[in-house]
Amino acid sequence: DAGVIQSPRHEVTEMGQEVTLRCKPISGHNSLFWYRQTMMRGLELLIYFNNNVPIDDSGMPEDRFSAKMPNASFSTLKIQPSEPRDSAVYFCASSITANTEAFFGQGTRLTVV
Amino acid sequence: AQSVTQPDIHITVSEGASLELRCNYSYGATPYLFWYVQSPGQGLQLLLKYFSGDTLVQGIKGFEAEFKRSQSSFNLRKPSVHWSDAAEYFCAVGSGGAGSARQLTFGSGTQLTVLP
Repeated sequence: DAGVIQSPRHEVTEMGQEVTLRCKPISGHNSLFWYRQTMMRGLELLIYFNNNVPIDDSGMPEDRFSAKMPNASFSTLKIQPSEPRDSAVYFCASSITANTEAFFGQGTRLTVV
Repeated sequence: AQSVTQPDIHITVSEGASLELRCNYSYGATPYLFWYVQSPGQGLQLLLKYFSGDTLVQGIKGFEAEFKRSQSSFNLRKPSVHWSDAAEYFCAVGSGGAGSARQLTFGSGTQLTVLP
């Protein structure tokens, strides 16, 4: 298995633009997580899905952030409009069930200028 | 609410020396505990995990960790550190019951520097 695949690896965009981050979880995994990593706040859970359904989005910073999981093999995290303070590394992770470990993608480094 | 504390922000050891990274957690029930490693520019790789059973767990790359309920700790150890172990290490606690997705709460990380 190729593991959790995220794209793009790097994204540089101008303030105000829409940004879409993509994630393909490991086949057969039922849970998907989006995390954000910054120097100031460390690793924060933004949202997670179970069987394609968003379970808890309380970590999503504000309405500019939205996440979807239209099917078991694909998820997106969208920021519209983007702001410089959104600059961070965004990780996607997936796990088989509630009682197994999460496998992380390599992350998307987002820079908003 | 669950929480994880890694009291050491940065640790420096010499190659070949032993290593212990500290992790303390707060969780109401029996926790699921994890150690992840992150190399520069990379994602997080799972080193080891504890769900139940033997409190001393073995992981990859020669790492081990011991769950001590009385101390609410899950410290990571390695008897002899290699230069390639230089990275950032994250302890995490997971929640979630049957049928629910698990949430991971991460500590703030410990940056390990290995001297030649």
